[in-house]
This record gives sequence, C-alpha cells and structure tokens, in this order.
Amino acid sequence: AQSVSQHNHHVILSEAASLELGCNYSYGGTVNLFWYVQYPGQHLQLLLKYFSGDPLVKGIKGFEAEFIKSKFSFNLRKPSVQWSDTAEYFCAVNAGGNQGGKLIFGQGTELSVKP
Amino acid sequence: GAGVSQSPSNKVTEKGKDVELRCDPISGHTALYWYRQSLGQGLEFLIYFQGNSAPDKSGLPSDRFSAERTGGSVSTLTIQRTQQEDSAVYLCASSSTLADYNEQFFGPGTRLTVL
Repeated sequence: AQSVSQHNHHVILSEAASLELGCNYSYGGTVNLFWYVQYPGQHLQLLLKYFSGDPLVKGIKGFEAEFIKSKFSFNLRKPSVQWSDTAEYFCAVNAGGNQGGKLIFGQGTELSVKP
Repeated sequence: GAGVSQSPSNKVTEKGKDVELRCDPISGHTALYWYRQSLGQGLEFLIYFQGNSAPDKSGLPSDRFSAERTGGSVSTLTIQRTQQEDSAVYLCASSSTLADYNEQFFGPGTRLTVL
C-alpha cells in the first residue's frame, strides 16, 4: 500500500531561518506529488505540485520542492521563513494511472515561526 | 459558489445516533472526495465520486459509513450508529476532473463529536 512519511512532527524556527520539511513516499510507479498547507483557522490549500518535467517546482509564497525519484522524496524548502508561515504542512501523493486522483497524506508537520 | 462548502460546521451527537454531513462542491467540478482528519490518524481518504458514481469506496472505515452524490453536485456522507471513534473533522474536496494531477479544493470541514 502507498504511504507517505513526514519526518518532523513539529518544527520551531525564528523568522528569516531556512526551512526544509522532509517527505518520503512508498510507491514504485508513477506518482504525482503535492504539498498542502493549513493556516490556523483556514482550509487546506495547495502550495505546489509536481507531476512531470522539472523536478524542482516552485509554489506560492516563496516555497519550492524538489522531487528526487531515486530517494522517493519530495522535500519542501523556503530560504527565509516569516511569522505568517506558521501553519501545518501536509505532503500528499497520488499514484498515477487509474487511481481517480485520491490523495494519500503524510501525518503533517506543524511549523511555528517565532517573530 | 466560490468555494467548497460543508454543513454543518460542527455536529455533536450521542453514540448510536445517525448523522448526515453535506458537501457542496465548486460548481462544474466533476470529481468529489471525502477525507477524514483525526488525531493520531492524520488525513485519511474515504471515498471519491466521478459524477454520481463512486468508483473507489476503499477508505470507508466500516459499513456504517455510506455516501451518495446527486445531480453531479451535492454529496452526503452518512454515518449510522455513530461511535466515539468516529469523532473527527470530515473534509470534502472537489476538482475539475479526475486527472491525477489536478488540484483538489478543500472545504472548511465538519467537526463531528460523538459523546
């Protein structure tokens, strides 16, 4: 069965620090990869996604992620975090093919940015 | 509407009662998904619809859970004989098609508490 693992449950950073959140998945076939974010009191929303092409993808608010197929990883990065990045971040995988688009989510990483 | 809406936003019920949760997807979106977000389990896929049919019900936890979609629009998730372990936030999402790489737009969720 497909699974997604996020290594960090809770990350605490000061403003301007660099961020990297780990995500690994287990599936040997074609995958589509997503990072979603849930700001306090708000809906889940898409940060970025990868489905083909350049493995380095850029999303909203200065976030980027790199797909490394050999490592089954899709880590999220941001060079300099802001207090407004405080949120919970979810990595998700959809196995390509006739899967209907259902997402398998990681457990989430809570990011707290101190001003 | 502008986004996915869900009702009620909060539901408190007694163990053994039946509950119905409603989802209104973004107009024109053909694919609709239900997920559950609970402590300790993270975000779990429950079921998805393409139009009014549900090709994948694999995530429904038990036969107490059922869902339907009518007119290719509104969907209802029904939980019969609720149990305390059903307490969670139930999220609905929609996307324009079933394509694997499509963004899913999430609603605010229904927080279900079973006493």
